[in-house]
Amino acid sequence: NAGVMQNPRHLVRRRGQEARLRCSPVKGHSHVYWYRQLPEEGLKFMVYLQKENIIDESGMPKERFSAEFPKEGPSILRIQQVVRGDSAAYFCASSPSTGNNEQFFGPGTRLTVL
Amino acid sequence: QQQVKQSPQSLIVQKGGISIINCAYENTAFDYFPWYQQFPGKGPALLIAIRPDVSEKKEGRFTISFNKSAKQFSLHIMDSQPGDSATYFCAASHGYGQNFVFGPGTRLSVLP
Repeated sequence: NAGVMQNPRHLVRRRGQEARLRCSPVKGHSHVYWYRQLPEEGLKFMVYLQKENIIDESGMPKERFSAEFPKEGPSILRIQQVVRGDSAAYFCASSPSTGNNEQFFGPGTRLTVL
Repeated sequence: QQQVKQSPQSLIVQKGGISIINCAYENTAFDYFPWYQQFPGKGPALLIAIRPDVSEKKEGRFTISFNKSAKQFSLHIMDSQPGDSATYFCAASHGYGQNFVFGPGTRLSVLP
C-alpha cells in the first residue's frame, strides 16, 4: 500500500519562475491538505481540498498561490512568480472520507528559490 | 485562539530516561490531539493521538496525558532511545476533516 507521494522531492527555481508541486494521496483518500514548513518552524496550514473542490483556503496567500485536486490525477499546488520567501518545505497530507481525523503526510517537496 | 503552544523548544535526555513534551491550547472546540514525529528531511509521521473524552492513552513507550480543564496535553516517552532523536510536533483540530494547528516543535536529542 503506497502512502502519500509527493514530487518532485526537491525543486529549485529562480525568482519569477513558476513552481508546481504534486501530491498523490493514499489510495482511497479523498481529502488533501497542504502545509508549509519554514526552516526550524512548525507546519502551517495552507489549503484543504476534496475532489474538485476547495474546502478551506484560509491559510494560503491570496496572490500567486493556487491549488487544485481534479477528479483524476494528483493534487497540484502552484506558486507563480516565486520569491525567495517562498523557499520552504511543502507537505501534503491526506485523510479518508470517513472515520477519524488522522492525516497521513507525504515526504514533502523542498523548494529553493534562488 | 487558534494557537497551540509547545515546550520545551529543545530537550536533551540520557538513554533510558523519560522525555516529556508539553502543549497548551486555547480553543475549547478542539477535539482531536495528535503527536507527530519528524526526522530530518522526512515528512511528519503520526505517533499517537487522543480525544478529550479520555485523560491518558498509552501505546508502547509513548503516552499522552490530557488535562481538559487546564487545556494542556503532554507526550511522555519512556525508556528513551537514541533512535527517538527527532523533532516532535503536537497538533490540534476540531471537527472531522478540519486542518491541524501545529505547535512549533520540540527537538529531542537522546544521548547514548
